[in-house]
Amino acid sequence: NAGVTQTPKFRILKIGQSMTLQCTQDMNHNYMYWYRQDPGMGLKLIYYSVGAGITDKGEVPNGYNVSRSTTEDFPLRLELAAPSQTSVYFCASSYALPGLNQPQHFGDGTRLSIL
Amino acid sequence: KQEVTQIPAALSVPEGENLVLNCSFTDSAIYNLQWFRQDPGKGLTSLLLIQSSQREQTSGRLNASLDKSSGRSTLYIAASQPGDSATYLCAVSRETSGSRLTFGEGTQLTVNP
Repeated sequence: NAGVTQTPKFRILKIGQSMTLQCTQDMNHNYMYWYRQDPGMGLKLIYYSVGAGITDKGEVPNGYNVSRSTTEDFPLRLELAAPSQTSVYFCASSYALPGLNQPQHFGDGTRLSIL
Repeated sequence: KQEVTQIPAALSVPEGENLVLNCSFTDSAIYNLQWFRQDPGKGLTSLLLIQSSQREQTSGRLNASLDKSSGRSTLYIAASQPGDSATYLCAVSRETSGSRLTFGEGTQLTVNP
């Protein structure tokens, strides 16, 4: 039972570098999400997707981009890494229909440091 | 803008004690409220989901209540065990899909043997 898989688990970037955080789910969920969690804080939604080809901004989208070409994959891209993007990034997925909401399933996170 | 607050930020109790974690939200127009558990270095695990039309949900030793009009939820843990030590987060959603969750900052619970 893989669930939601995130890679890499850890990464250190230099300011200005770019990278893609990978996320894949094997539960055939239609919704997928990217969150960031800063130390001692709750999670904040970066982007989400309601299905392949459809993405939308969350609460803190600046500095990030996403794409959803398949149901399974939802990569998050940082184009010009900044120290403020040092955080733990969580990907999640859920199955949702109007009037039917299921809990979100989370990956184990990617710990990203930008120096 | 929805804001979610959890009190206390940290709680330490002896094993066997019953305890209550609190969650409050500023906008009562929610569709559901969820409680999650987060272990160190791990992602979140959903514990309970309460629809806005419900007053409570139970799972084993856990009971979550919801008072939408007052903007409050509580998570009751009975007969706490050291394995319950974790951070507990609550989150609310305005959407019928349950997406776009707004999270509180969490309560870090330590249960001492």
